[in-house]
Amino acid sequence: DAGVTQSPTHLIKTRGQQVTLRCSPKSGHDTVSWYQQALGQGPQFIFQYYEEEERQRGNFPDRFSGHQFPNYSSELNVNALLLGDSALYLCASSLAGSPLHFGNGTRLTVT
Amino acid sequence: AQTVTQSQPEMSVQEAETVTLSCTYDTSESDYYLFWYKQPPSRQMILVIRQEAYKQQNATENRFSVNFQKAAKSFSLKISDSQLGDAAMYFCAKANYNTDKLIFGTGTRLQVFP
Repeated sequence: DAGVTQSPTHLIKTRGQQVTLRCSPKSGHDTVSWYQQALGQGPQFIFQYYEEEERQRGNFPDRFSGHQFPNYSSELNVNALLLGDSALYLCASSLAGSPLHFGNGTRLTVT
Repeated sequence: AQTVTQSQPEMSVQEAETVTLSCTYDTSESDYYLFWYKQPPSRQMILVIRQEAYKQQNATENRFSVNFQKAAKSFSLKISDSQLGDAAMYFCAKANYNTDKLIFGTGTRLQVFP
């Protein structure tokens, strides 16, 4: 039973560029959440997708957007990258309020 | 704003000994969930234990147990018989009852010495 998988594992981008991160939820899960974890900090909630719609959103600018596909997989897009966007991006999936299952994250470095 | 505070940036424990990690939180809700997550160098957040606020009984999972003090808004994690594999970052987190949006603390790095 595959858990939550994220790709790529590492990514280096330049300021101003755009990036897309991908997540496949654990089998049977229908809800995907994204978190940003800056170095030395706890993760911060970006947004959550359910039934292909954004259901909740944290305090992140519109440069952060997402999408959920019919197979429940999800993408996180960040436009106009800033140095401060450098972080570990974690995807988590769940089903009907069950505890979140996290992936191993994508380490994004913006130079 | 809801906050979760972990006041111990680092803790250390001898193998086979017991260690307690502290967590306090702020909320106006009466129903909510509290969690402890472990993050090893692999970066994956692994659920260690979950406590439902309406339950007075403290949750336990094998060597892991919590001391949940609702009035004091305190939620500490006790690790008994510590093992080398317990070394990791530990995050305390809270979610309101009708959502699984987690609010995390800043983490405690646990070192385990042989």
